[in-house]
Amino acid sequence: DTGVSQNPRHKITKRGQNVTFRCDPISEHNRLYWYRQTLGQGPEFLTYFQNEAQLEKSRLLSDRFSAERPKGSFSTLEIQRTEQGDSAMYLCASSLSSTLDTQYFGPGTRLTVL
Amino acid sequence: AQSVTQLGSHVSVSEGALVLLRCNYSSSVPPYLFWYVQYPNQGLQLLLKYTSAATLVKGINGFEAEFKKSETSFHLTKPSAHMSDAAEYFCAVSDRDRGSTLGRLYFGRGTQLTVWP
Repeated sequence: DTGVSQNPRHKITKRGQNVTFRCDPISEHNRLYWYRQTLGQGPEFLTYFQNEAQLEKSRLLSDRFSAERPKGSFSTLEIQRTEQGDSAMYLCASSLSSTLDTQYFGPGTRLTVL
Repeated sequence: AQSVTQLGSHVSVSEGALVLLRCNYSSSVPPYLFWYVQYPNQGLQLLLKYTSAATLVKGINGFEAEFKKSETSFHLTKPSAHMSDAAEYFCAVSDRDRGSTLGRLYFGRGTQLTVWP
């Protein structure tokens, strides 16, 4: 069990640029979640996948955000035309879709939009 | 919809003192409740979870929490604080999603615990 990994750990970009983050879940986990955490707040749900299917998206996920999990393994989260309000920690978690399984979190990607 | 309220964004205790971090939830269905801890520059780590078995749940590092339905609370305690407990603590609630599996987590705003020597 190597844990959930996220890359990059830090990203600084200029407003209007596109950014993409990657999440590699624990290998046998079929569920993958994305959350966003801003300063002084708890994580907020963005979206989740079961295998390659995106099952739920939050209203927080504007049209500029897109997430994929093409082969049911790793996932990418892309933000187009970044805004300063997108500055946050983006967290990925994975779990098994068995009864009552725990979500295991990665270290996060900290995005700063200048 | 589910929601979580953590009372007190900052809690300070002396080493060896009791730790009490408060969490109240709102849920229209029987909840599943969690406490996570976040150390600086690290991801969230699960401390303990309540999933409708025993109401007193024991977790890692000497922490425990008690589910009280009548008070809609799930407070986290530790009898004796250690310097290494200094971190941010998040309470979260989930519900059943698509049958028996857990769905998304709803987090509180977090409580920063400071431990003084």
